[in-house]
Amino acid sequence: AQKVTQAQTEISVVEKEDVTLDCVYETRDTTYYLFWYKQPPSGELVFLIRRNSFDEQNEISGRYSWNFQKSTSSFNFTITASQVVDSAVYFCALSEALRGSARQLTFGSGTQLTVLP
Amino acid sequence: GAGVSQSPSNKVTEKGKDVELRCDPISGHTALYWYRQSLGQGLEFLIYFQGNSAPDKSGLPSDRFSAERTGGSVSTLTIQRTQQEDSAVYLCASSLAGGGAPYEQYFGPGTRLTVT
Repeated sequence: AQKVTQAQTEISVVEKEDVTLDCVYETRDTTYYLFWYKQPPSGELVFLIRRNSFDEQNEISGRYSWNFQKSTSSFNFTITASQVVDSAVYFCALSEALRGSARQLTFGSGTQLTVLP
Repeated sequence: GAGVSQSPSNKVTEKGKDVELRCDPISGHTALYWYRQSLGQGLEFLIYFQGNSAPDKSGLPSDRFSAERTGGSVSTLTIQRTQQEDSAVYLCASSLAGGGAPYEQYFGPGTRLTVT
């Protein structure tokens, strides 16, 4: 069975601070994919990133960066110099890989990030 | 281009009534998913469709829930004899499918269902 744990229920930071959102996952699959989604107050989930289990290189996209560590089954997300517009619920998700088939996502419980001005 | 659309955006119904929720996926996406988001349970997978294959119904919580996808496009999620615990936001997502990796899913705005 797959499981995603986001231990931080709520985080509050002041604008321009860096913040890291933790994600720990469990799976018996050797090939799997990890995702982060953002859910702003408007409610629509927005895709941020997808990583496969064979690629442990960290990734940076603007103020966002992701740290994938297979040894600790973690896929943490850091926002540098946070902004008020970053306030949202962030979800980490896991999907197994099955060639040619769509697979559902197993979501963590989400982390509510509030960035104060 | 147009994203995933869902209707209605809000639905209030009385306990015991049936409801139908609609999802219109992104054109060209062969995979369609339904999820439910509630305070107590977080985001839960319900069902997905891919092309002409039999749907994966493994996430449906009871036989009161059913879904169909007509013509490989629009999908309808039906909840019969609604209960108060069915109150949640029902999210639809679509994605490309095929190849060696799961594609990212694009989500609609959701339908907020309230059962009174």
